[in-house]
Amino acid sequence: EIVLTQSPATLSFSPGERVTLSCRASQSVSSYLAWFQQKPGQAPRLLIYDASTRAAGVPARFSGSGSGTDFTLTISSLEPEDFAVYYCHQRSNWPLTFGGGTRVEIK
Amino acid sequence: EMQVLESGGELVQPGGSLRLSCAASGFTFNKFTMTWVRQAPGKGLEWVSTLSGTGGATYYADSVKGRFTIASDNSKNTMFLQMNSLRADDTALYFCAKGHYFDLWGRGTLVTVSS
Repeated sequence: EIVLTQSPATLSFSPGERVTLSCRASQSVSSYLAWFQQKPGQAPRLLIYDASTRAAGVPARFSGSGSGTDFTLTISSLEPEDFAVYYCHQRSNWPLTFGGGTRVEIK
Repeated sequence: EMQVLESGGELVQPGGSLRLSCAASGFTFNKFTMTWVRQAPGKGLEWVSTLSGTGGATYYADSVKGRFTIASDNSKNTMFLQMNSLRADDTALYFCAKGHYFDLWGRGTLVTVSS
């Protein structure tokens, strides 16, 4: 099973700041990595797939990069609505797996 | 508008059974891979099972293999998750998600396993 590690579990930022979130895979997932955003009481929302492709309707301030085992989600300028939990997910190998999530909270 | 809507979750005793449904609309259901993902209270996301849109192959997490069965009724644009031998650690909000990229999610249906 491929383990996805997201650390730290919680990060604190102020609106307008640049945010970089990390996801590390225990073995290569090529570019088969996605990022999801989840707000309280809501379903997850796809932000990025195949490591760097923005999903439909996702603002340009969100970008993804990386391949192999190290991936990054960047929010160029944090908006108030971006405070949420972010999960990475790999579809390279069965079983599919998710990272434990990083909560982005208001400083 | 594309939508998926889960239903069937409820309180069930340990060892009991439940069938969840995921009704799809706004897209050609049988062309897409569909997946169940669950989230225990206050926890992260856990992949449960996937039904391939081409060929109908099925895949299961080890934690549910042999107890859960994924299936679909394409005439009704609906996917199912038959859950048997339920345990307390199956308690979660169960989501269905569309496609390889999980680009569409429902709001989830809550399964509580407790005596």
